[in-house]
Amino acid sequence: DAGITQSPRYKITETGRQVTLMCHQTWSHSYMFWYRQDLGHGLRLIYYSAAADITDKGEVPDGYVVSRSKTENFPLTLESATRSQTSVYFCASRGGGGETQYFGPGTRLLVL
Amino acid sequence: KNEVEQSPQNLTAQEGEFITINCSYSVGISALHWLQQHPGGGIVSLFMLSSGKKKHGRLIATINIQEKHSSLHITASHPRDSAVYICAARDSNQFYFGTGTSLTVIP
Repeated sequence: DAGITQSPRYKITETGRQVTLMCHQTWSHSYMFWYRQDLGHGLRLIYYSAAADITDKGEVPDGYVVSRSKTENFPLTLESATRSQTSVYFCASRGGGGETQYFGPGTRLLVL
Repeated sequence: KNEVEQSPQNLTAQEGEFITINCSYSVGISALHWLQQHPGGGIVSLFMLSSGKKKHGRLIATINIQEKHSSLHITASHPRDSAVYICAARDSNQFYFGTGTSLTVIP
């Protein structure tokens, strides 16, 4: 599908388990972002990537790992999930010269 | 510490009313974005501003760089405008988001 997609859309897991959230975009955008959205905090940046093999921490990176081996994919891994990581996760992308960010549909993650 | 502050947090309006949502930011920015989040959760970019004013249909966004303030206006509001509106200040590669304004337009 064209655009930016996330999978899974919903995930329930247990504390201590590893979880990977997938993000895929078809525009060859150079920049990709992961955000979490929580009540009272709004959207907060977890990690971002300016290009393949280039990643950088955002505001709340602890407990998360990212990789960007291919331009179109930007997976987010929770190495050992905690209840505080229950949230809605949004992936976004934008082109190198562009200003508009395009958001994925979100992944609702529940950590029990 | 919130780099971006929005007001009001919640807003209820009657259909047809003129609506204003305000955003103040404390960071130096290259651009200011207004986003709309639908009740189902999807996020759409409405405007990107670095100066002045932009208009798209019934939506108008303004920014005052000196005062570090932006406003989003909706003219002739409609129930389909009900959503959360989010202000985001862009500083090089990072975005700083407000917590959003939840708008409900009643028929």
